Amino acid sequence: EPEVTQTPSHQVTQMGQEVILRCVPISNHLYFYWYRQILGQKVEFLVSFYNNEISEKSEIFDDQFSVERPDGSNFTLKIRSTKLEDSAMYFCASKAGPTSEKLFFGSGTQLSVL
Amino acid sequence: QQQVKQSPQSLIVQKGGIPIINCAYENTAFDYFPWYQQFPGKGPALLIAIRPDVSEKKEGRFTISFNKSAKQFSLHIMDSQPGDSATYFCAAERGGGSEKLVFGKGTKLTVNP
Repeated sequence: EPEVTQTPSHQVTQMGQEVILRCVPISNHLYFYWYRQILGQKVEFLVSFYNNEISEKSEIFDDQFSVERPDGSNFTLKIRSTKLEDSAMYFCASKAGPTSEKLFFGSGTQLSVL
Repeated sequence: QQQVKQSPQSLIVQKGGIPIINCAYENTAFDYFPWYQQFPGKGPALLIAIRPDVSEKKEGRFTISFNKSAKQFSLHIMDSQPGDSATYFCAAERGGGSEKLVFGKGTKLTVNP
């Protein structure tokens, strides 16, 4: 089965530093997402992205966060100035089209902010 | 209104048992209800999903029961196996163009041999 690939699997950063989390969605997919999961808590929606623009974002996705599809294959999440509470597992997801129900998740990037 | 409440938090059954995980929601605008399975170190994977126009859906050993009037849905795993040990999340998505999945808090299932 095709896979969503995320790199790195673990990232450690100092508070206040910028981080970029990278994802390669499944190649023919058009809809892209970021979710996060704080340890022991539920998976939370951050943002959805289609046609090179954000289609929906949550209250968590404030001005410190941005997403980009810099080329035809990568999809990135940038956190400009990390905070301790940004420590979480970040999942990228993608799906083929608007009527497609199956959302494919990557294995995640564990971000630790010290 | 945006919450999906999931119970129990953890569940232990013997091989062959039928674990049942329950979820409840408030927002009647939700129109898609998937269940995800997550193994340690992996992302959630879609297991089975249902829309409110049916009351039950089966795929292999997995069954969703849906009660629209009670705003509840549940996952049943028939003939459970140790390989089913994982965390299970219910979720809901609102219609009308929203692409946001709202997840429950998850149920850690352990199936003992």
